[in-house]
Amino acid sequence: ETGVTQSPTHLIKTRGQQVTLRCSSQSGHNTVSWYQQALGQGPQFIFQYYREEENGRGNFPPRFSGLQFPNYSSELNVNALELDDSALYLCASSFGTSRYNEQFFGPGTRLTVL
Amino acid sequence: TQLLEQSPQFLSIQEGENLTVYCNSSSVFSSLQWYRQEPGEGPVLLVTVVTGGEVKKLKRLTFQFGDARKDSSLHITAAQPGDTGLYLCAGAGGSGNTPLVFGKGTRLSVIA
Repeated sequence: ETGVTQSPTHLIKTRGQQVTLRCSSQSGHNTVSWYQQALGQGPQFIFQYYREEENGRGNFPPRFSGLQFPNYSSELNVNALELDDSALYLCASSFGTSRYNEQFFGPGTRLTVL
Repeated sequence: TQLLEQSPQFLSIQEGENLTVYCNSSSVFSSLQWYRQEPGEGPVLLVTVVTGGEVKKLKRLTFQFGDARKDSSLHITAAQPGDTGLYLCAGAGGSGNTPLVFGKGTRLSVIA
């Protein structure tokens, strides 16, 4: 059984650029949630994808967007990067959308915006 | 907006000591989860508590959900260096699919 993987591990961008982060869900999981974890903070929910549709969104602007593919892998896209977007971006996969279903987190992508 | 406050923020103790970390809110949560996160890794779920007053044990870790489901605690007995990490609590609201709200975490360092 393969766990949740994320790529790239680290990324450095400049203000105004665009970035795409990728997540492969754990085998058998059909739901992917994305979180932003700023330094010294807990993870903040960005959005969730279930069966290729957005299924809930946190308090993030529209320049944060996502996709889920038929194989349940997912992408997080951020446009017009700002300095405050510097953070660890985590994805978590689960089977189903209920909060009672255990989420398995990937190791994250560390994004630095200069 | 539901918020979870964790205390202390930082804790450094000697191997063999006991400790308790707290997770408090003014809001009621239908369930609460505890995670541990190590550097360079994502959070790993330790436990989910659902019922007010519930106590769960995981080896040397004891988790309690407050009677009013607004707070929780994690007690570690005889801490070991392998317990070092960031401990996060996360609460879920009323409806089935509401996202988790995470606290800022307690960073624990256990010194041998």
